[in-house]
Order: sequence, then C-alpha cells, then structure tokens
Amino acid sequence: AQKVTQAQTEISVVEKEDVTLDCVYETRDTTYYLFWYKQPPSGELVFLIRRNSFDEQNEISGRYSWNFQKSTSSFNFTITASQVVDSAVYFCALSEAGGGNKLTFGTGTQLKVEL
Amino acid sequence: GAVVSQHPSWVICKSGTSVKIECRSLDFQATTMFWYRQFPKQSLMLMATSNEGSKATYEQGVEKDKFLINHASLTLSTLTVTSAHPEDSSFYICSASSGPFSGRQYFGPGTRLTVT
Repeated sequence: AQKVTQAQTEISVVEKEDVTLDCVYETRDTTYYLFWYKQPPSGELVFLIRRNSFDEQNEISGRYSWNFQKSTSSFNFTITASQVVDSAVYFCALSEAGGGNKLTFGTGTQLKVEL
Repeated sequence: GAVVSQHPSWVICKSGTSVKIECRSLDFQATTMFWYRQFPKQSLMLMATSNEGSKATYEQGVEKDKFLINHASLTLSTLTVTSAHPEDSSFYICSASSGPFSGRQYFGPGTRLTVT
C-alpha cells in the first residue's frame, strides 16, 4: 500500500527566510507520480508540481525548488526567501501509475510566514 | 485549461435533509472523477472514485447509501449527502481526470457543507 508522510505539522518562519518542507513516501510500484499542492485559507487546492518516478532531476521554479531522491524515498520542497503570501497548508501526494490516478495525500504541513 | 467547478461553494442544511453537490469539468472530458472529504486541519480523504457510466467505487468505511455518487456524463458528477447529520459537516472536494493513465487530477474549489 502507498503512504505519504509529512512529519512537520506546522512550521513558522520570518519573512525572507528559506524553508524546506519534508515528504517521505512508500510505494511498491516502480512507476509513480509525486505531487505538491498548496491549500490557502480559501480551501482551493493549488497544483505546484508533478514529478514522475523516472525523473530525478531537481526542479526550480522561481522561489520554489524540489529535491527528489529515490534512494531515500523523499520529495522535499524548498521555498526561498519566503513571503507572507506563502502562508498555507502544503500537501505532498503520491499516485501509482497503475492506480488510475488515485492520490494518497500526506497529512500536510501548515506554513506560517510572519513579518 | 483543465478547469473543474463545484456548485454550490457552500451550503447550510438542516439535519435530516439531503443535499446535492455538483462537480463539472468545464473544458475536458472527465472519464474519472474523485470525491474527497476534508475535516478542519486534516488531510484530504478519498471517499469514492467514479467512472462515467458505471457505479462508483467507495473507499472502505464510506457509506454508499449515505453518499450517493452519480457520474452520468463525461463532464458532470454529483454527490448527494442523504439524511445529513451534523457530523457530515465538512469540506467536500471533487477532482477529475481525463483517463486512468493521464497522470493527473484537476481539483474543484470545494464545497463547504454545514448541517445544523
């Protein structure tokens, strides 16, 4: 069975600090997708990234970067120079290729960025 | 592209009544739709998966007679909460994908249900 663990329940940082959100996953499939979503107070999920299991290249998008390491089954997310608007709950999720896109979510990390 | 809408965005109903939530894919054909439930400060829990034209597959512990799901067309799925109780109050989110191998779901904005 697949499982996603986000050990950090809540993180508080001061604006402009860098922050890394951890995600560890478990799956028996060799082909799978990993995702990060942002959920602001409005509740609507905002898609941030999808990574397939065969692509271990790290990715950078503006202030966001992702570090995918299959050896440790981790897919960590770093926000550089955090801003107050980054305050939200962030979810890591996994879907197995043979699972019909069925997503398993982690428990989420509440990020609070303060002035 | 790939927009999913939900209606209503919030609803208040009395205990014992039924409420229907609609999920629409606006610009693509959704062969599969998913319904999630999210309690405050918790993660999303998958309730059921529905494929167009067939019966929904419910996750363990989800009462199929209480949460009726219909996926009658490639752009519309509905979730009906029957005989609602206060404990059914939650945030309900739908998502849609264009096929089992598309590799991605597109999420609706969610519906906040309050049962009084």
